[in-house]
Amino acid sequence: ETGVTQSPTHLIKTRGQQVTLRCSSQSGHNTVSWYQQALGQGPQFIFQYYREEENGRGNFPPRFSGLQFPNYSSELNVNALELDDSALYLCASSLTAGLDGLEQYFGPGTRLTVT
Amino acid sequence: AQSVSQHNHHVILSEAASLELGCNYSYGGTVNLFWYVQYPGQHLQLLLKYFSGDPLVKGIKGFEAEFIKSKFSFNLRKPSVQWSDTAEYFCAVNPREGTGNQFYFGTGTSLTVIP
Repeated sequence: ETGVTQSPTHLIKTRGQQVTLRCSSQSGHNTVSWYQQALGQGPQFIFQYYREEENGRGNFPPRFSGLQFPNYSSELNVNALELDDSALYLCASSLTAGLDGLEQYFGPGTRLTVT
Repeated sequence: AQSVSQHNHHVILSEAASLELGCNYSYGGTVNLFWYVQYPGQHLQLLLKYFSGDPLVKGIKGFEAEFIKSKFSFNLRKPSVQWSDTAEYFCAVNPREGTGNQFYFGTGTSLTVIP
């Protein structure tokens, strides 16, 4: 069983640029959630995708957007990068949305640095 | 706004000592509760979860947690810690109503176990 994978591992961008982060969900999982984890903080929920549709969103501005593809892999896009966007971005997949899918499997994360 | 508090930021224990990590949340409705652990260099992984029923739940590696609804708490315990328990521990809350599939994480507790 392949776990959750994320790419790239590390990324350095300049303020104002755009970035795309990628996540491959665990085999058989149709739900993907994205989190931002700033240094010394816990993960903060950005949004969740279930069967290619957004299925819940946290308190993040519209410049944070996402996609989920038919194979249930997902992308997180961030436009107009700001210094405060520097963080570890975590992807988590689950079997489905709803109670049965609340057990999330996390990837290793992408470390984004904005200069 | 919902919040999750982990009052112990850093805990240092000797092997065989007992562990209790506090977690309090500020949501008045029904919640699902989780503890996640992140070992050095590894992904976040689920330690245990509570959805309903017996408020004392057992997880992997000898960990347990008790849900006390009146105190909005879900403290993590282990009777005798081992050096391999050195890790970052995160409490997470998933409100069942209104906020969909959002998870709220605490800021984490770093546990160091001294051999």
